[in-house]
Order: sequence, then C-alpha cells, then structure tokens
Amino acid sequence: QVQLQESGPGLVKPSETLSLTCTVSGGSISSYYWSWIRQPPGKGLEWIGYIYYSGSTNYNPSLKSRVTISVDTSKNQFSLKLSSVTAADTAVYYCARASSGSYYVLHYYYMDVWGKGTTVTVSS
Amino acid sequence: SSELTQDPAVSVALGQTVRITCQGDSLRSYYASWYQQKPGQAPVLVIYGKNNRPSGIPDRFSGSSSGNTASLTITGAQAEDEADYYCNSRDSSGNHLGWVFGGGTKLTVL
Repeated sequence: QVQLQESGPGLVKPSETLSLTCTVSGGSISSYYWSWIRQPPGKGLEWIGYIYYSGSTNYNPSLKSRVTISVDTSKNQFSLKLSSVTAADTAVYYCARASSGSYYVLHYYYMDVWGKGTTVTVSS
Repeated sequence: SSELTQDPAVSVALGQTVRITCQGDSLRSYYASWYQQKPGQAPVLVIYGKNNRPSGIPDRFSGSSSGNTASLTITGAQAEDEADYYCNSRDSSGNHLGWVFGGGTKLTVL
C-alpha cells in the first residue's frame, strides 16, 4: 500500500524559501503524477502544481513564478520549493499521487493517495 | 473560465439523498473527481471518472455529469458523511492545462 509523507520546516521567515519533501513508500515513484496541494487555515484546497515521473511539470499560474517541483527517483521523493513567501503562504501542505484516464471522449485526473499534510507557518 | 463553482453549504436529513454540484466550463471536456475532507484530516478521494469509486468507498456515493455540471450524490446519507466536499478537474482555460479545485461544499447531516 503506497503511503506519502511530507517533511520540512514548520516555520519559515517572510521572503525566504519554503522547502518540503514528500517521501513515497510502498511503491515506485515511476509512473503517475506527483502533486502538491495546500489549504490555508479555514479555507479550501488550492492546487500548487505537479510533476510527472518523467520530469515534466505544470504549475498553478498564480504561483508559477515562485514554485519549483522536482523529483528524485533514486530516493523515491519529490519536492516543493516556494520562494519569497509571505503570511499568505501559511497553510497545510499536502502531497498526493495522481493518475489519469479517459472514458470515450472525456478525460479525467484524480488524486488517490494523499499524505497527512504538514503545517507551514510564515512568520518572523 | 478556469473556476469550478460549488454551493458553500448543503444540508440533508439522516437517511435522505443529497446532491452536491460543481459547475465549470472545463467540465464539458473533463470529468471531475470528488474528495471528502473531515476536520483535521487529509482529503479522501470518493469519486473519479465517469462514476468510479475507490476501494473502501461505500456505494451510496455516486457521480454524474451533464454539460458544464458535475454532481456527487449521496443516497441514504449517514452521520459520518458530514464533511467538506471538493470537486477537482482540469483547468482548460487559455494555454494552461493545470488542475483546479472547487471552493468546497460543507455538508451537514441533520
């Protein structure tokens, strides 16, 4: 059974870079999309971006200038870096595994395995 | 539009049927996936594709889609179904092909 675990600092200073790692256990990081999602306190889910196991990436346009997602297949890990953080980046950050499929002419994506989430606070 | 719109809150009497909807232009080209989130917990996938349930999800959960609207139906709602529900789909606006979540619907079981 595949499990994901987020790790990284729980406190980041404003203007610095937030760095998180997601470790994949119980399965290979090969194949699948590997995604980051965040949830500010009391608010909804926000998709940050994903990396395909081959290395191609796709980011939320509102965060694109500050986000980098990378993958280390040798360690079965993928990582998130978010630069120039402000208090607005305070959130629970989740990593997730995603797959795709199609039924006739319609396509779909879904995130079937999630980490438990890690809280990151941006404060001096 | 790149947005997915959900009603902020819905309520249902115990044992009754409730439908949670998600509207957006991208839903004409992509199926939505649906996630249940209880307080303090990570989201859980409940429906994906045309109407697929992951292992362990009760069959009272079902999905459907018509035009620009995706729906999650809970037939015979239980107390444990009280949670926030989010839809998610591809963002097909402009040249961007990322993903987007709806704002979420808080389901109360009365």
